[in-house]
Amino acid sequence: KAGVTQTPRYLIKTRGQQVTLSCSPISGHRSVSWYQQTPGQGLQFLFEYFSETQRNKGNFPGRFSGRQFSNSRSEMNVSTLELGDSALYLCASSLATGPSTDTQYFGPGTRLTVL
Amino acid sequence: DQQVKQNSPSLSVQEGRISILNCDYTNSMFDYFLWYKKYPAEGPTFLISISSIKDKNEDGRFTVFLNKSAKHLSLHIVPSQPGDSAVYFCAADRGSTLGRLYFGRGTQLTVWP
Repeated sequence: KAGVTQTPRYLIKTRGQQVTLSCSPISGHRSVSWYQQTPGQGLQFLFEYFSETQRNKGNFPGRFSGRQFSNSRSEMNVSTLELGDSALYLCASSLATGPSTDTQYFGPGTRLTVL
Repeated sequence: DQQVKQNSPSLSVQEGRISILNCDYTNSMFDYFLWYKKYPAEGPTFLISISSIKDKNEDGRFTVFLNKSAKHLSLHIVPSQPGDSAVYFCAADRGSTLGRLYFGRGTQLTVWP
């Protein structure tokens, strides 16, 4: 079974621009979570989607948004980029078949650099 | 508010010896714990997990121990191999938080020959 894939792997943008990152979960996985990793803050939760609905959101400004499609693929968008948005953006998928906790499996990440 | 803490940023161990990575948490609502391994420029790779109803889980060279009363868990790697050199993240989950894992800051493990 193919793992979680993320595109693009690397991205360079300038301040003020916007960016869209894509994530394809493991086949059959219905939940997609997004995280931001920076050296200073570690892995911070952005949001989670299940059946095209955002179920949970971390403490990030409204410039960070996302969506999920009917095939469970997900995108996240960052508008009006700031230098501090430079980070590794990771998505993770899980089965989410019931109330108990599922293991999350991560993609390779998208390295975003804002100049 | 760091609810999951890995107080040792680095650990150096000789090949063949035991590596013990530690993790503490503050939220008693956490009911599932995971360890991930991460190489530079890659996403975290799931290693092993443990439910709060257990105190030990083993998978090959990796064993995770959970001490709920102390809110502490540890990952034991025996024997350690140079390929184990990576950053190890401890993560915790509450069943009600819908897809959110709480991560520690990670411990860089270096296994030298």
